[in-house]
Amino acid sequence: AQKITQTQPGMFVQEKEAVTLDCTYDTSDPSYGLFWYKQPSSGEMIFLIYQGSYDQQNATEGRYSLNFQKARKSANLVISASQLGDSAMYFCAMREGNSGYSTLTFGKGTMLLVSP
Amino acid sequence: EAQVTQNPRYLITVTGKKLTVTCSQNMNHEYMSWYRQDPGLGLRQIYYSMNVEVTDKGDVPEGYKVSRKEKRNFPLILESPSPNQTSLYFCASSQITGLNTEAFFGQGTRLTVV
Repeated sequence: AQKITQTQPGMFVQEKEAVTLDCTYDTSDPSYGLFWYKQPSSGEMIFLIYQGSYDQQNATEGRYSLNFQKARKSANLVISASQLGDSAMYFCAMREGNSGYSTLTFGKGTMLLVSP
Repeated sequence: EAQVTQNPRYLITVTGKKLTVTCSQNMNHEYMSWYRQDPGLGLRQIYYSMNVEVTDKGDVPEGYKVSRKEKRNFPLILESPSPNQTSLYFCASSQITGLNTEAFFGQGTRLTVV
């Protein structure tokens, strides 16, 4: 079974609108961390936001926020006020356990296109 | 500047010709790993290393080797490349102090095996 599922291969949004990229995860470990990375067309991987399983509040970083619903095992990325530069591939990832030794497992990604 | 450096960025090679992709990080990170990225499959881990001389297989290790003789370097070796190893490869490093440590990625190596 996949540990990270991103069901949207592609998403379109108009500039200045908000968009939600879906991510569901599967783990039996009570301790885990969820990450979102952005990959623009240039190819590099850019860290966006982190949510820990024990965090009481949803993570926010500027225009990025994470809609964390623990019971549903979902960790959706919300981008507010989309910009043309947000066009990229977005990956959700999870690390299980208690330390940074464990593997970072990625979903298949969602391609976001922002139109003027 | 904190960074992970991979070389080369682009490589075209022929089937069976041994090659090495280098990876170096300047952040004194213990954990390093290699991923390959293929369309529709996301990033899959090839090998990882928890420290010097400690390496282990990831999800797709067949056809690859790694070594970790120094903390900063983690080269990926393809002894006999095949066309199904054509892919985009990423090296990543991270601290091991907690779950929330982000992975820092190199710029990627686009490998084509003909």
